[in-house]
Amino acid sequence: KAGVTQTPRYLIKTRGQQVTLSCSPISGHRSVSWYQQTPGQGLQFLFEYFSETQRNKGNFPGRFSGRQFSNSRSEMNVSTLELGDSALYLCASSTRQSPGRDGYTFGSGTRLTVV
Amino acid sequence: SQQGEEDPQALSIQEGENATMNCSYKTSINNLQWYRQNSGRGLVHLILIRSNEREKHSGRLRVTLDTSKKSSSLLITASRAADTASYFCASMNSGYSTLTFGKGTMLLVSP
Repeated sequence: KAGVTQTPRYLIKTRGQQVTLSCSPISGHRSVSWYQQTPGQGLQFLFEYFSETQRNKGNFPGRFSGRQFSNSRSEMNVSTLELGDSALYLCASSTRQSPGRDGYTFGSGTRLTVV
Repeated sequence: SQQGEEDPQALSIQEGENATMNCSYKTSINNLQWYRQNSGRGLVHLILIRSNEREKHSGRLRVTLDTSKKSSSLLITASRAADTASYFCASMNSGYSTLTFGKGTMLLVSP
């Protein structure tokens, strides 16, 4: 079956701009989580959605937001970009009913560079 | 903030040797998972061990969990050059559906 698809693969933006990243989970997976990976902070949890509802949110400023659609696809948005937002953004999907049993399936990520 | 720490930060071995990575966490967990990442790409789920399990095997992988010490270890036996990657432990805290990652161990397996 198809894996988790993240688009775009690479993105270059200018400080102050906003960006939208997309994630299509594995078919049948209703939970989508987002993580930010940077060399300094490592992998940090951003938020998790299930059935279009945000269930958990990490410790990130309000410039970071997301949503999930009825088909389980998810988008995350970062407004007023800062240089420190440069990172690999990873999306992960799971069945949610048993995320602990199956683990998560991650996409290949979107590498965002803010200049 | 991250709650896990991996040890060592980097490990260099020869093909055929075993590689052991350790992970510590801070709070009670539902389970602990190990992931592999190749060259800044996506994470690949390797193995999951529940809080009531002490040891688990999957192919060349063996993971142990000591909840009293809040620690886990991943053993890769008979390493191959293709095992070269970064390895992360991730804990799923009780009552939540989020993963808290360690900083990872970079493994280099030389032919």
